[in-house]
Amino acid sequence: AQSVSQHNHHVILSEAASLELGCNYSYGGTVNLFWYVQYPGQHLQLLLKYFSGDPLVKGIKGFEAEFIKSKFSFNLRKPSVQWSDTAEYFCAVNGIYMEYGNKLVFGAGTILRVKS
Amino acid sequence: ETGVTQSPTHLIKTRGQQVTLRCSSQSGHNTVSWYQQALGQGPQFIFQYYREEENGRGNFPPRFSGLQFPNYSSELNVNALELDDSALYLCASSFTGGYGYTFGSGTRLTVV
Repeated sequence: AQSVSQHNHHVILSEAASLELGCNYSYGGTVNLFWYVQYPGQHLQLLLKYFSGDPLVKGIKGFEAEFIKSKFSFNLRKPSVQWSDTAEYFCAVNGIYMEYGNKLVFGAGTILRVKS
Repeated sequence: ETGVTQSPTHLIKTRGQQVTLRCSSQSGHNTVSWYQQALGQGPQFIFQYYREEENGRGNFPPRFSGLQFPNYSSELNVNALELDDSALYLCASSFTGGYGYTFGSGTRLTVV
């Protein structure tokens, strides 16, 4: 079965620190990759997505992610975090030929707390 | 553009009861998926509906069922509620052939 692993469940950073959240997936076929953010009390919001093309994807709020096919990874980065980035972050994948192609498989999430 | 709306936002039910959760899809979307997000976990795929028929199901028992209506709104029904069914239930709409998803804010179900 397809799965997504997020390396850290809790991350605490000071403001202006750099962020990298790891994400690895297990699926050998062509994939679409997503990062979602869930602010406290709010719904899941799309940060960025990769379908094809340039493996370095830029999203909203200064986030970016790099798809490394050989490593089955899609790590999320931000050069300088802000207190407002405090949230839970989810990596998700679906596959072109994955069973039920529109199904998203999510990682367990990473809770980021940014100290001001 | 309208987003995905879910109702109710919170619900408390007793073990053994039945519950119905509702979802209105984003305008222009014809596919709806339901996810269960237990505390401390990522969302888990329950099932997906397209053209009013279930066309994909995750590892959930038959007491989880759904409906999709001609206006693409949807219901999630859970029978014989168990304590472990306590979770946030998310609805996501999309357009078949595309891979964009819009999530609702969810329904927080507590089973006591």
